[in-house]
Amino acid sequence: EDKVVQSPLSLVVHEGDTVTLNCSYEVTNFRSLLWYKQEKKAPTFLFMLTSSGIEKKSGRLSSILDKKELSSILNITATQTGDSAIYLCAVGGGTSYGKLTFGQGTILTVHP
Amino acid sequence: DVKVTQSSRYLVKRTGEKVFLECVQDMDHENMFWYRQDPGLGLRLIYFSYDVKMKEKGDIPEGYSVSREKKERFSLILESASTNQTSMYLCASRQGGRVNEQYFGPGTRLTVT
Repeated sequence: EDKVVQSPLSLVVHEGDTVTLNCSYEVTNFRSLLWYKQEKKAPTFLFMLTSSGIEKKSGRLSSILDKKELSSILNITATQTGDSAIYLCAVGGGTSYGKLTFGQGTILTVHP
Repeated sequence: DVKVTQSSRYLVKRTGEKVFLECVQDMDHENMFWYRQDPGLGLRLIYFSYDVKMKEKGDIPEGYSVSREKKERFSLILESASTNQTSMYLCASRQGGRVNEQYFGPGTRLTVT
């Protein structure tokens, strides 16, 4: 059974801090690892990491895939209150194309 | 821009009622998914569909069924709603292929009383 575990489950920081969110996985036939941000409604796509693209960066957010350790981190530098959200990690693999297994999510709260 | 819409944002139903949740995507995506999201459990896959009239069970299909008669529409059916089906329901779609992200709808918060 595929499994994705995120840590920490929740995190409270102040504006300007740097945070690191963790995601570890056990999945058959790994294909991709995805990060999503969820505010009050639909999760929105952040990054996708694959064997051919293990590092992604967009503004203050960056993510790295460690295929040896079966894990990924999502870094957010100079956090802002608008970064407050649930961050979801999902892994695609197994025998069914397109199916994702999600972790529990990390609730990030950024105080002014 | 990909757009995934869900028929209701909030829904309140009584135990035993039959409930229909509708999802429509406008990007001609082959694959569609239904998840439920509960605190501390993340998103769990209920059913998914590779193409029209095709469906496969996800991790928690019990108590649910689905229908996909047209490519753009994927319906989730609760045959006889129960209180433990109170949850946030999220629909997603993606282009077919090995590696493609899923795009989510805004969700339906269902309360079963």
